[in-house]
Amino acid sequence: AQSVTQLGSHVSVSEGALVLLRCNYSSSVPPYLFWYVQYPNQGLQLLLKYTSAATLVKGINGFEAEFKKSETSFHLTKPSAHMSDAAEYFCAVSDRSSSASKIIFGSGTRLSIRP
Amino acid sequence: DTEVTQTPKHLVMGMTNKKSLKCEQHMGHRAMYWYKQKAKKPPELMFVYSYEKLSINESVPSRFSPECPNSSLLNLHLHALQPEDSALYLCASSLIQGAGNTIYFGEGSWLTVV
Repeated sequence: AQSVTQLGSHVSVSEGALVLLRCNYSSSVPPYLFWYVQYPNQGLQLLLKYTSAATLVKGINGFEAEFKKSETSFHLTKPSAHMSDAAEYFCAVSDRSSSASKIIFGSGTRLSIRP
Repeated sequence: DTEVTQTPKHLVMGMTNKKSLKCEQHMGHRAMYWYKQKAKKPPELMFVYSYEKLSINESVPSRFSPECPNSSLLNLHLHALQPEDSALYLCASSLIQGAGNTIYFGEGSWLTVV
């Protein structure tokens, strides 16, 4: 069964510093991979999505993620953190062979930004 | 314009009440979803509708009853809920049901059962 593991339930960085949120998937076949962001008291917003067209995926708000098959990873990065980036981030996976749109979410990483 | 609209934003109901959560999208999407999210947890899939027919029911208790009146609307009827059902209920949609389709979420309805 597909699964994703997000390392670190809470990450804190200074404003202007690099943001790195880690995600590893478990699958013998590279799945579809997603990063969603959830701001306080809101729904989930898609940041970016990996479909196989390119290993480096650029998303909204300056975020990007790199798919590394050898490491079964899909880490999310942003060169310079902004206070408005404080939120919960979910990595998610969808099995390519499945006819259902069942997305499996990771446990989430809360990103805090220090002034 | 990717928008899924949910009403109400907040709902407080007693354990004997009957209430409904409503969801609407006008993106022409033919797959719609209900998720439940407890505090500090990821969303959990409850139901999937594909072309207005129930496609997936993740063994949800019968006190939750989904309904898809047309391709734009999705309801979740609530009856005899328990306090542990208090959570954020998220509606979502995608163009069609199938792996890799991006799922767009609404802002959610906060449900408190007293």
